[in-house]
Order: sequence, then C-alpha cells, then structure tokens
Amino acid sequence: EVQLVQSGAAVKKPGESLRISCQGLGYMFTGFWIAWVRQMPGKGLEWVGIIYPGDSEARYSPSFQGQVTITADRSNKTAYLQWSSLKASDTAMYYCARQRQLERHLHYYYYMDIWGTGTPVTVSS
Amino acid sequence: DIQMTQSPSSLSASVGDRVTITCRASQNIDSNLHWYQQKPGQVPSLLIFAASLLRSGVPSRFSGSGSGTDFTLTISGLQPEDFATYYCQQSFSAPYTFGQGTKLDIK
Repeated sequence: EVQLVQSGAAVKKPGESLRISCQGLGYMFTGFWIAWVRQMPGKGLEWVGIIYPGDSEARYSPSFQGQVTITADRSNKTAYLQWSSLKASDTAMYYCARQRQLERHLHYYYYMDIWGTGTPVTVSS
Repeated sequence: DIQMTQSPSSLSASVGDRVTITCRASQNIDSNLHWYQQKPGQVPSLLIFAASLLRSGVPSRFSGSGSGTDFTLTISGLQPEDFATYYCQQSFSAPYTFGQGTKLDIK
C-alpha cells in the first residue's frame, strides 16, 4: 500500500527548533516530489514547498523561504520539514503529500495524489 | 505568485441538489488545475486533476471543467458525504497556490 507516514504531534516553545518527518512507503520514494502543506487552525491550505528526493532539489513558496528548510534522506525514504527558531504563528497542521506527474498532450501536470495523516505543531510559551 | 480565487466561500445546499463551485486564476494556467476535498478533521484528498480528469474511485457525480483562468467543480446530486470544504490548486508555476476554499454545508 502506498502511504506517507508522518511523525507525531509536536509541542514546542517559541525559539526552539523542530524537525518533522514524512516517510514514503510502498512506492519508489526517489521518483516523486514530496510537497509540504500548512493548515493553520480553522484556515485553508497553503503550499510550503517541495523536494525531489532523487537529488534533494527543493523549492519554496516565497512566503516560507528562509523560514523553513525542506530536506530528504533517500536511504530512509523520508522527507523533513524543519525550523531553527519556532514562532507562535507556526502553530498549524502540516501535511506532506506525494506529487504525481501526468504527461498529456505534451503537457505535464503535477497534483498531490497521496497525503500523509498530518503532524500538528503547537508553539506556545 | 498566481492567485487563486474561489467562489462562493461558503454554500448551503440540500441532498440531491446540483452545485457548482468556481475557481479563477490570476493568469492563464492552461489545465493545471486540481480539486481537493477536505472533510472536517480529515486529510485533504484529490478529486479531480488536470481540470477535468476524475481520480479513480471518485464518484461520477463529481466533474470538473475549464481551462485558462476559469474553472468549475460540479457535484450533480449531492450526497450526505459530500458536505465538506473544497479547494482548487494550480500547478502551472511554483508556488503551487491553493484557493481559499469553499465550505459546502447542509441547508
């Protein structure tokens, strides 16, 4: 079964560091981009960034550039989202999702077909 | 960044109704538009990709259309399990932005 297994809930204080994880199982992990998506309490979905585990190329939304770091470990089939200094405003649910590629009529389409269960992050003093 | 605007932001409907949700992109995105459903307390799930392709296993009452800047998601014959929040997302250029969501609830 294809699945993304995310790490458990995190409760941290402002200024602390954190790394959450997303392990891809049941498929060729290095062949698909992994995206991270934030959902703040009661709010919509926000695209944070993506990484290609095959070569660790990462791209970020300008809104998150410099605020988080996305990495991947091919040997453990795991992608990571990390913060060096958390803020209360980082409190949210964070999802990882596999980005699937479709080639159709010489165009490529990228969509998120498999989602992790989410990692709730709470940052509070 | 490409801005995605959904309308309406919320919608009340009854079981059996036909509803349409629209999504507008701030620039041409061809057919790089996808729809996701999120039920309360659950993980988002893919419904439609490339504007009109139904994901395997998704009921045929869901359909998508559009290209360029204007897109629609239609649900024909609402079922109780369809009451959820729906998001569009573009993948024409990074960052792959989402619409703000449309919450569909029971009238």
